[in-house]
Parts: sequence; C-alpha cells; structure tokens
Amino acid sequence: ETGVTQSPTHLIKTRGQQVTLRCSSQSGHNTVSWYQQALGQGPQFIFQYYREEENGRGNFPPRFSGLQFPNYSSELNVNALELDDSALYLCASSLLEAGTGELFFGEGSRLTVL
Amino acid sequence: GQNIDQPTEMTATEGAIVQINCTYQTSGFNGLFWYQQHAGEAPTFLSYNVLDGLEEKGRFSSFLSRSKGYSYLLLKELQMKDSASYLCAVTPVRGSTLGRLYFGRGTQLTVWP
Repeated sequence: ETGVTQSPTHLIKTRGQQVTLRCSSQSGHNTVSWYQQALGQGPQFIFQYYREEENGRGNFPPRFSGLQFPNYSSELNVNALELDDSALYLCASSLLEAGTGELFFGEGSRLTVL
Repeated sequence: GQNIDQPTEMTATEGAIVQINCTYQTSGFNGLFWYQQHAGEAPTFLSYNVLDGLEEKGRFSSFLSRSKGYSYLLLKELQMKDSASYLCAVTPVRGSTLGRLYFGRGTQLTVWP
C-alpha cells in the first residue's frame, strides 16, 4: 500500500455533467500529480500541483482543473463531460525534493461517461 | 515531444526468463522507471535507472543505455502472479518537472503454467 487514497473508486456520469475526484496524499509528500489512463493505454499526465500551485500541465483542455489544499490533499474537476473522458483517473503523490521523481499511486477512480 | 515505445503483448511460461524492451525519445531525460500494474489496480514501483547499466533487485533487473535511448526489464523465474502490464516511464529534466512521468502504453505479460 502506498498511503495514497482516492475517492470515489467508481462512478458513472452522463455527457455534459461535472465530476470531482478526490485524493489524499501520502504523509510527508508535497506534490500531487493526476493521470488519465484509458483502457489499454499508459497513464497520461494531466497536471501537477506543488505546494498548492499548479506546476505543469499536460495536453488536456481547461475543463480539466484541479486544486491542492494546505494538507496536500487534492481534487480533480472535470466539467462538460465527454464520452472520451471515460477512463481510470490516477492520483500520485511524491516529494519533489527527493530528487528522483518516484510516484506513489492511489488505486484510482474509474469514471464511466454515458 | 515525448515518444516511449514498448511491445504491446508478451507471453512466457512459468519458470522462464522474459525481457521487456523500451525505447524512448524525449526532450530531456532525468531517469527511467518501470512500474507493474495488475488489472484494475494502481501501478506499483519496480525500478528506477538514472545511470547506464544494470540494476538488480531480486528476480527483477532493469538496464539503461542513455546514449541509445533504450531500457529493458528482465524478469527471472517467472511466476503466475507476474502476469500484469509493465509500464516504462521517463521523467524529464531535473527540477520542478520531477513527478511528470511520460509513460509508454504498457506491455501486457501473460505467464502460462
């Protein structure tokens, strides 16, 4: 177990709705990254937060947004859901100062958009 | 851009040795990770290479050649529980971009009895 927890584990939404996914980081970690993993693909980087500030973003539209809180927990929000947003959303925490970039993943939130 | 390539599927029998290759072309390189992911579960860390050469950890070893943009994961004495997807991932330059891993699509390994 990595100590990273995500909720909910599974959810179903319809096209056009909004969703919020939550992540609790491993104790002592100050960085959280979110990844989208479509079926049969590797995880794709969405964005990263470091000390509550966005610290880089992948090739995802603005309707994907996030927050990191003072306790380093995090949220991923997706507006105007599309069918292609159906995927496993992985949260990963890390300690930037550790210098390796090793990520500790949560179990993921599986989103289905109908 | 970032391009990480690995075979889609491999099969092997219990007790055998299998080598999963990964080639990468990335703008900057700080290190290469291998993760294991069982179906429906989170990726778990296997190995990290930052310098050229072989890193051995029990039944698993990982090799890196930075000049060739090449890595492999070697799994020995295969067990049924090793059936999983193996993800190769590169982290770009040091500093504030650490933690942004670029993943390949994963190699689905099936181990037969």
